[in-house]
Amino acid sequence: QKEVEQNSGPLSVPEGAIASLNCTYSDRGSQSFFWYRQYSGKSPELIMSIYSNGDKEDGRFTAQLNKASQYVSLLIRDSQPSDSATYLCAVSPGYSSASKIIFGSGTRLSIRP
Amino acid sequence: EPEVTQTPSHQVTQMGQEVILRCVPISNHLYFYWYRQILGQKVEFLVSFYNNEISEKSEIFDDQFSVERPDGSNFTLKIRSTKLEDSAMYFCASRGGQGGPNYGYTFGSGTRLTVV
Repeated sequence: QKEVEQNSGPLSVPEGAIASLNCTYSDRGSQSFFWYRQYSGKSPELIMSIYSNGDKEDGRFTAQLNKASQYVSLLIRDSQPSDSATYLCAVSPGYSSASKIIFGSGTRLSIRP
Repeated sequence: EPEVTQTPSHQVTQMGQEVILRCVPISNHLYFYWYRQILGQKVEFLVSFYNNEISEKSEIFDDQFSVERPDGSNFTLKIRSTKLEDSAMYFCASRGGQGGPNYGYTFGSGTRLTVV
């Protein structure tokens, strides 16, 4: 069974600080990795994708991938109250464009003023 | 920004009834998906669809479920005889053909299905 594991939280971070979210996955052959943000009652919204080892930065967000450790993380710099949401780590185990994405159960992030 | 459109936003149905959930994917996308999320639980894969056929389906997607792309724009999920445990938010998603699996999906806003 291919799994994506996340700490459910809640993770409480003061406004302006760095929020660090982590994820591990079980399928060593996984190819692509994603972070989605989901507000309560809303659909998942893609924040970042990463498929090579190392860091990938986009604005205040940095995704980090370590395939040897089967570990993905997301850093949010200068956290804002609007960043309060559930962050879903997702992994694509396949090679084809039709491949499904498997989601973790999410980490609830709360940014306190 | 292109959107995936889902209708209705909320559907209430009686147990045993058939429901059809509708989706209009982004127009130049080639790969289509249905996911569901039971309240408080994780987003679960149901089925992927490409080139007018199912690419992959999960164990949740049993004989009660079917998908169809009846024309060039709509993508539907049918549940033949709904059960109480089918109550969930159902998300449609689509993905473009460029870039392969490295590109994430775009999700629709979802249909909340309540079976009573």
